[in-house]
Amino acid sequence: AQKITQTQPGMFVQEKEAVTLDCTYDTSDQSYGLFWYKQPSSGEMIFLIYQGSYDEQNATEGRYSLNFQKARKSANLVISASQLGDSAMYFCAMRDDDYKLSFGAGTTVTVRA
Amino acid sequence: DAGVIQSPRHEVTEMGQEVTLRCKPISGHNSLFWYRQTMMRGLELLIYFNNNVPIDDSGMPEDRFSAKMPNASFSTLKIQPSEPRDSAVYFCASSLLGQGAQETQYFGPGTRLLVL
Repeated sequence: AQKITQTQPGMFVQEKEAVTLDCTYDTSDQSYGLFWYKQPSSGEMIFLIYQGSYDEQNATEGRYSLNFQKARKSANLVISASQLGDSAMYFCAMRDDDYKLSFGAGTTVTVRA
Repeated sequence: DAGVIQSPRHEVTEMGQEVTLRCKPISGHNSLFWYRQTMMRGLELLIYFNNNVPIDDSGMPEDRFSAKMPNASFSTLKIQPSEPRDSAVYFCASSLLGQGAQETQYFGPGTRLLVL
């Protein structure tokens, strides 16, 4: 069963603007973690941000913030003040009780100057 | 501190040959994960170790794939014999599990494997 859904295959954003990447998840576990990773064209997987299922506040890391809506099972990533270097593939992932990560299909973000 | 180290970064081999991918996790991490990334299937977990013990190998495609972790600082993923459909990027990741931490997995740079 698909656990992570990213419905946006690709997005364009103007430099200095904000962009929201959608992610919904499915789990029956009470304890789980949600992650976002960035994969630039060079191929490495870069950890961006984490949200625990019991965290009441939305996670933030610099220009990245995670809009966590537990009842809706969504964990959207917001990138503020986009930069050209933000052009990459972005993956949402979920860790549930067995410690394994399940990844979504990814969203390609292209930042335009 | 050094991140996860993988070698080789690129591997081109012929069908039927043995391929060995290597990984050195982040020092102090107690868990190691092997993933495969393809266009068709995305990122898939192959196997993971906790304290050098294989915990879940349900993602290993078939008997041609094997993985070992002889100590806390080294793991191998072996494909024997290799087939063209094994062509993919193979990632190793490590994390610190069970310590009340975020248990974030940190990825190595990956090995791009091409089987001709």
